[in-house]
Amino acid sequence: QQQVKQSPQSLIVQKGGIPIINCAYENTAFDYFPWYQQFPGKGPALLIAIRPDVSEKKEGRFTISFNKSAKQFSLHIMDSQPGDSATYFCAASATGANNLFFGTGTRLTVIP
Amino acid sequence: KAGVTQTPRYLIKTRGQQVTLSCSPISGHRSVSWYQQTPGQGLQFLFEYFSETQRNKGNFPGRFSGRQFSNSRSEMNVSTLELGDSALYLCASSSGTSVSGANVLTFGAGSRLTVL
Repeated sequence: QQQVKQSPQSLIVQKGGIPIINCAYENTAFDYFPWYQQFPGKGPALLIAIRPDVSEKKEGRFTISFNKSAKQFSLHIMDSQPGDSATYFCAASATGANNLFFGTGTRLTVIP
Repeated sequence: KAGVTQTPRYLIKTRGQQVTLSCSPISGHRSVSWYQQTPGQGLQFLFEYFSETQRNKGNFPGRFSGRQFSNSRSEMNVSTLELGDSALYLCASSSGTSVSGANVLTFGAGSRLTVL
């Protein structure tokens, strides 16, 4: 059973567009929600993370929006660039647990 | 600061064989976690070691095992390989001591196992 559900599976946007990737969870014990970016042949790399005490976090062109009541969070990439083409994973974990539950990933393609 | 190093990067085995994968974490990190990545299931947690002790375990059969050495390096072993074990095996390290449970994991590039 997938603890974190992610959509869409793939996404194609034009350069400068704002791709949005959505995730949902059920376990209310989750209190840490990171996003990872993975390029082919590489391991996932932490992009940005949020805790449920804030509704939004921005780092550069990447923004996480968090809706605690709906148990949903999303990643927005502003002014997307071809170099952002990668697979993005949302994840969740609970305090004290060092294991992450990952979404199934979104393959993003940014067309020049 | 060197990253997480995994060896070997690629390997091919046949059904029934066993395999050992190695992971050297970032210097100073005491926690090593292992994940299996497949196209169908995505990233799934195998187990986590902290100071040579298994601290957490995912839902995988007993054929999957691991250990951690005093220098924090870790190995994972898969015995009696099955075709379905073909995957990218990722190792991640962290300090493992965050009171707030930040769980900031740094992943290696992975070991790609193909079982024929």
